[in-house]
Amino acid sequence: EPEVTQTPSHQVTQMGQEVILRCVPISNHLYFYWYRQILGQKVEFLVSFYNNEISEKSEIFDDQFSVERPDGSNFTLKIRSTKLEDSAMYFCASSEEGTGVYDEQFFGPGTRLTVL
Amino acid sequence: QKEVEQDPGPLSVPEGAIVSLNCTYSNSAFQYFMWYRQYSRKGPELLMYTYSSGNKEDGRFTAQVDKSSKYISLFIRDSQPSDSATYLCAMSDSGSARQLTFGSGTQLTVLP
Repeated sequence: EPEVTQTPSHQVTQMGQEVILRCVPISNHLYFYWYRQILGQKVEFLVSFYNNEISEKSEIFDDQFSVERPDGSNFTLKIRSTKLEDSAMYFCASSEEGTGVYDEQFFGPGTRLTVL
Repeated sequence: QKEVEQDPGPLSVPEGAIVSLNCTYSNSAFQYFMWYRQYSRKGPELLMYTYSSGNKEDGRFTAQVDKSSKYISLFIRDSQPSDSATYLCAMSDSGSARQLTFGSGTQLTVLP
């Protein structure tokens, strides 16, 4: 069964460093997403990406964040200068471009980011 | 403001029990309602999806949406130890259907 994969499973970095979180969405999916979950808090939407551009983004997704689809399979989230409060589980998701407004989002297992 | 509140856990029930999980929300624009199940160290997995009000049944699972009360529920019949997980409600509006707003999750343990 196709699934979303994410690497690494755990990333430790120093405050101020840049990190890139990687995701391989399901191959025939056209929408890609990043969510994050700070420990003990809700899963929060960060950004959606379609047709090589950002479709929607939340207020959390500020200038320190960027997303990219560098090739036909990977989807990345870059955090330019990490802060302590960026420590969280980051989930990638993907969905088909269906005919309706809503498409099921399939989530990856997450990357735990720890900023020291 | 998009806000979703979910009954706090943890919830522990004996095997075979009927489980009721609930969420309330404040944004009347929400049209799409989902329940996700999340096992430890895994991403959320879609269990049930409902559009607007009404009931939807899938095996042992029933999802209910009451838009007039801004209240959604998930019922699990004949609960099994394998149902032990965190259950997250999520919802979105028609303008941003792909931007999901999640509840905080309820941790369920089904005891054999």
